[in-house]
Amino acid sequence: SYVLTQPPSVSVAPGKTARITCGGNNIGSKSVHWYQQKPGQAPVLVIYYDSDRPSGIPERFSGSNSGNTATLTISRVEAGDEADYYCQVWDSSSDHRWVFGGGTKLTVL
Amino acid sequence: EVQLVESGGGLVQPGGSLRLSCAASGFTFSSYEMNWVRQAPGKGLEWVSYISSSGSTIYYADSVKGRFTISRDNAKNSLYLQMNSLRAEDTAVYYCARVRDTAMVGWGQGTLVTVSS
Repeated sequence: SYVLTQPPSVSVAPGKTARITCGGNNIGSKSVHWYQQKPGQAPVLVIYYDSDRPSGIPERFSGSNSGNTATLTISRVEAGDEADYYCQVWDSSSDHRWVFGGGTKLTVL
Repeated sequence: EVQLVESGGGLVQPGGSLRLSCAASGFTFSSYEMNWVRQAPGKGLEWVSYISSSGSTIYYADSVKGRFTISRDNAKNSLYLQMNSLRAEDTAVYYCARVRDTAMVGWGQGTLVTVSS
């Protein structure tokens, strides 16, 4: 089955740039989606198809995907960005059709 | 306003059954594929099951295959998850999610299922 690997935690100071990685075998050949989940809330899609932003998501959120790593980048980080972030792909090669990474806790210092 | 509202969660004994519902509003439910996703306490997201817009195509995660059944009633704008032979490891918040292509573009608030004696 396809595996997505994320760092458990990332810390960043307000105003700086946070980068959250998502590793997978040849992930660059797949479409990666990213979700933000704040405590006690449902996940929210923040990036889809590697780098597109849904309406209402700030331009500070961006994404890229190449080789074996996809990256979610949050510029000018704010306190309100503190949350868990999950990457996700659709894998047609096995029964595990929708695969999530383990999640990354973003802490704003 | 697009809304997904789950219901039906609760406390159930191991080996028991539960049926979750997800009521959709604010969009053309019959045009959208749907997923169930769960999250065990303090853990990450786990995809559970998928159903196409017509209900003709269904997928399950290995962890629930043979025990859970996904279905939908487009006339009632509703999605369901019948869960049988429940185990302690099925304890989680269960979310329904609207699917566009392979992304989950909208989520409900979730319903908690606790499997315990």
